[in-house]
Amino acid sequence: DAGVIQSPRHEVTEMGQEVTLRCKPISGHDYLFWYRQTMMRGLELLIYFNNNVPIDDSGMPEDRFSAKMPNASFSTLKIQPSEPRDSAVYFCASTTSALGGGSPLHFGNGTRLTVT
Amino acid sequence: GQQLNQSPQSMFIQEGEDVSMNCTSSSIFNTWLWYKQDPGEGPVLLIALYKAGELTSNGRLTAQFGITRKDSFLNISASIPSDVGIYFCAGRHSGTYKYIFGTGTRLKVLA
Repeated sequence: DAGVIQSPRHEVTEMGQEVTLRCKPISGHDYLFWYRQTMMRGLELLIYFNNNVPIDDSGMPEDRFSAKMPNASFSTLKIQPSEPRDSAVYFCASTTSALGGGSPLHFGNGTRLTVT
Repeated sequence: GQQLNQSPQSMFIQEGEDVSMNCTSSSIFNTWLWYKQDPGEGPVLLIALYKAGELTSNGRLTAQFGITRKDSFLNISASIPSDVGIYFCAGRHSGTYKYIFGTGTRLKVLA
């Protein structure tokens, strides 16, 4: 089975530009999570969705960040305008509630974002 | 955001030695997960624990769900060079699918 698929793997952009990160969760998974990883702050949960609906976006740093999940197989995380401090690795992860909490979180390979 | 206390932060060990690391929380969890992350990759699940007191093995790895439900332990026996990486714990409270991650243990194995 295909795992969580993220694109692009690497993104380099200039400050002020819009950045869009993409994620395809594992088929059949109804929960999708966006995490950000930095050396200083570790793995931070930004937002998560259940059945395409945002459940908790309290981790989203500021209004420059937005996330959508238009359908069960696709989600985007957008940063507009981007700033150098947004440089990090962004991970998408998914899981299913079908096992009543007995299913772990599966991660994609991340998008390494560099904002110059 | 909230993070779990994970220790040690880093460790250097000789090949063949056993390794122990742990995570503690101030609140009760009903699921503990352990992950390994290699450079440039996403975290990969090693072991999942769903019951207090549960002891689960995956090859040379053994993890336990603490009886108090506020801690978990990961042991690696007879370490080998490919065990190098960052190990993360993650916990989940009852009634939510939101996982909280530990700060990571960076393991380096000296051949």
